[in-house]
Amino acid sequence: GESVGLHLPTLSVQEGDNSIINCAYSNSASDYFIWYKQESGKGPQFIIDIRSNMDKRQGQRVTVLLNKTVKHLSLQIAATQPGDSAVYFCADENSGGSNYKLTFGKGTLLTVNP
Amino acid sequence: EAQVTQNPRYLITVTGKKLTVTCSQNMNHEYMSWYRQDPGLGLRQIYYSMNVEVTDKGDVPEGYKVSRKEKRNFPLILESPSPNQTSLYFCASSFSRAGGELFFGEGSRLTVL
Repeated sequence: GESVGLHLPTLSVQEGDNSIINCAYSNSASDYFIWYKQESGKGPQFIIDIRSNMDKRQGQRVTVLLNKTVKHLSLQIAATQPGDSAVYFCADENSGGSNYKLTFGKGTLLTVNP
Repeated sequence: EAQVTQNPRYLITVTGKKLTVTCSQNMNHEYMSWYRQDPGLGLRQIYYSMNVEVTDKGDVPEGYKVSRKEKRNFPLILESPSPNQTSLYFCASSFSRAGGELFFGEGSRLTVL
């Protein structure tokens, strides 16, 4: 079956450093990937997405990289700030499938030290 | 303001007492879904709805029911709650199934004693 996992459950960085959060997926049919951020006591919030016809996509201070060969996804956060402290989830979807279903990873807790 | 609203946000109940968690979105989204979030297990889909009167099971539907009589509302019903349904529940919606941003509610923390 499908699985979306994360290499590291926790990540601690210094304020101002760059952060890299990794994610592996197993479904080779997945063609759409999203990163979500969940702050304590809140629901997940969309950060950035990427389709399988792309290798890289940039947003504001965030970049998502997709390596389809090894089924690997990463989220890079530039100049990490204390407000970036949260749990980050990757999710994947096969948009050509019979239903709309995002499979979520278990999350990585990012802690930014001042 | 575009949002997904869940109620109640917190609830403590007892085994077997029927309860409903309401979910409403004001974005005219076709797709709505319920997830539960448990430590070490992440977000797991309970039920989803592609449109009014169209619902289907997700990964963990046992013990839950849903309905979609109106586009904006997607209540989650626990007919006979059990302690293993103690969890944090999230409702989410999106414009369509074509892939796109899921908007999540703030969550409903349910404890079943």
